Amino acid sequence: EDQVTQSPEALRLQEGESSSLNCSYTVSGLRGLFWYRQDPGKGPEFLFTLYSAGEEKEKERLKATLTKKESFLHITAPKPEDSATYLCAVTSQGGSYIPTFGRGTSLIVHP
Amino acid sequence: DADVTQTPRNRITKTGKRIMLECSQTKGHDRMYWYRQDPGLGLRLIYYSFDVKDINKGEISDGYSVSRQAQAKFSLSLESAIPNQTALYFCATSEQGPNEKLFFGSGTQLSVL
Repeated sequence: EDQVTQSPEALRLQEGESSSLNCSYTVSGLRGLFWYRQDPGKGPEFLFTLYSAGEEKEKERLKATLTKKESFLHITAPKPEDSATYLCAVTSQGGSYIPTFGRGTSLIVHP
Repeated sequence: DADVTQTPRNRITKTGKRIMLECSQTKGHDRMYWYRQDPGLGLRLIYYSFDVKDINKGEISDGYSVSRQAQAKFSLSLESAIPNQTALYFCATSEQGPNEKLFFGSGTQLSVL
């Protein structure tokens, strides 16, 4: 059974204070690891897909990295508009490719 | 207009009532999903459908049923609502193939009193 654990559950940063969110996973052969952003009262919105260890993806102040056991979402010089819940999900090889989600990290960036 | 539309956005109902949540999509995707989200528990899969004739149970299907009326429409029913079904419900779609990223609707907040 695929498992995804995200840490921390909540993170408060000052504007400009860089940090990282962690997503550790257990799957029987990783097919893909996904990061989503969810704003209050809205559905999750896709950010990145990573497929193999060593892969990195960037978008504005966000950078996602992947190892064989975990992924990090690095946030550089965050702004208040980066405040959201960030969700991680994985799909595994040989299955129906239904993603398994972690519980998310709630990020608040104070001005 | 949104690619994935859920109706209603909010619903308050009483224990024992039958409720239907509706989802329609304009993305042309074959795959559709229903999730519920509870504080501290993340997203949990209720049902999913890979095409009009394919319906599959997710990890928490008890107390729910679904209907795939067309490629673009996927509805979720609570036959007899109970208070612990109070949650935020999301419909999502995805392409078939190697990129399984999901596109979500804006959600339905359901409260069962």
